[in-house]
Parts: sequence; structure tokens; C-alpha cells
Amino acid sequence: DAGVTQSPTHLIKTRGQQVTLRCSPKSGHDTVSWYQQALGQGPQFIFQYYEEEERQRGNFPDRFSGHQFPNYSSELNVNALLLGDSALYLCASSPYGGANVLTFGAGSRLTVL
Amino acid sequence: KQEVTQIPAALSVPEGENLVLNCSFTDSAIYNLQWFRQDPGKGLTSLLLIQSSQREQTSGRLNASLDKSSGRSTLYIAASQPGDSATYLCALGSYGGSQGNLIFGKGTKLSVKP
Repeated sequence: DAGVTQSPTHLIKTRGQQVTLRCSPKSGHDTVSWYQQALGQGPQFIFQYYEEEERQRGNFPDRFSGHQFPNYSSELNVNALLLGDSALYLCASSPYGGANVLTFGAGSRLTVL
Repeated sequence: KQEVTQIPAALSVPEGENLVLNCSFTDSAIYNLQWFRQDPGKGLTSLLLIQSSQREQTSGRLNASLDKSSGRSTLYIAASQPGDSATYLCALGSYGGSQGNLIFGKGTKLSVKP
């Protein structure tokens, strides 16, 4: 079982650019959540996808958007990048109704210059 | 608004010591509480999950307790080892929030010296 797979592992962008991060959930999981973890901070919830729809959203601007595909994989898109978007982006999957039992990926480290 | 505080922010101990990490929260109406481990630059590994109706959970050398009335949880690590060095995060799941929407503390960075 490959667990949760995220790509790319590292990337560097400049301010104003756009980025797409990808996540493949653990086998048997149909729900994907995305988190942003700034250096020295705990992860912050961005949003969650189930049945290809955004089900809940944290306190993030509309520059952050996502998508879920029929195979349950997901993308996180960030437009008009700011320096403050530099962070580790974590994807977590779970079975729907799984009472917060999340499996996390290793994350994508985004640096915005 | 739920706030989660972890004390201390960093801790350094010699190998073999028993230690306690603390997590406090402001709203006792939680669904569950989890403790995670994070190695540098890596994702999170779930260590223990305590449902709101439970008082504690144990796994090997780890024991986590939950006292909702006082808004506190502790993670007890027995006979610490250098391999326990990592950042430990507590996270709350709330009623009304979707599963997967966890509120995290900033973590305690643990260093166990050989």
C-alpha cells in the first residue's frame, strides 16, 4: 500500500505565478483534505473534497482552489503567489465518515521568491 | 474560536527519561483529539487518537490522556530513545466540523540525546 502520494516534493516559484500540487489518496480512501504548514507552525486546514465537491473550507482566500477527480485524486491550485504562500502543503486522505482518521502524505515544499 | 496551545515549544532530554508533553485547548466541545509525530520536512504520522468519551489511549511506550473539562491532554513517553526525536503535534476534531478538518497546535520539538 503506497499510502498518500504527493507531487512534486519541492518546487520554487516567483511572486505572481501559479502552482498546482497533486495528491493521490491511500487505497480505499475517498476523501481528501489539504493543509498548509508554515515554518514553525502547525498545519492549517485549507479545504476538503469528497465526491468531487468542496465540502468544507478553512480561512483561505479564493486564490486557493482545488479539484477532485473520479479516481479520488486531488489537485490544489494557488494563483497569484505571494511570499507568504511559502510553506509545506500536506494532503491527507480518509474514508468518508472515518472520524478524523487521516493518513498524511509527505508534503510538497513550496518556496516563493 | 478553538485555540490549541502546546507547552513546551521545545524540549531536550537525555536518553531513558520519561517525559510529558502538554496540549491545552479553549473549547471543550471536541469530537476527538489526536497526537501526531512529524519528522523534519516530512508529513505527519498519527500516534494516538482519543475519542471525546475516552480518558486515555496507550500504544507501546506512549500514553495519551484527555481531560475535556479542564481543556487538557498530555502525551507521556516512557523510557525515551534518540529515535523519538521529532516534533509532536496535537490536533482537535470538532463537532459540526467535517471529518478531516483538524485544528492543530504549533507542536513541541523533542530532542533525545544519547
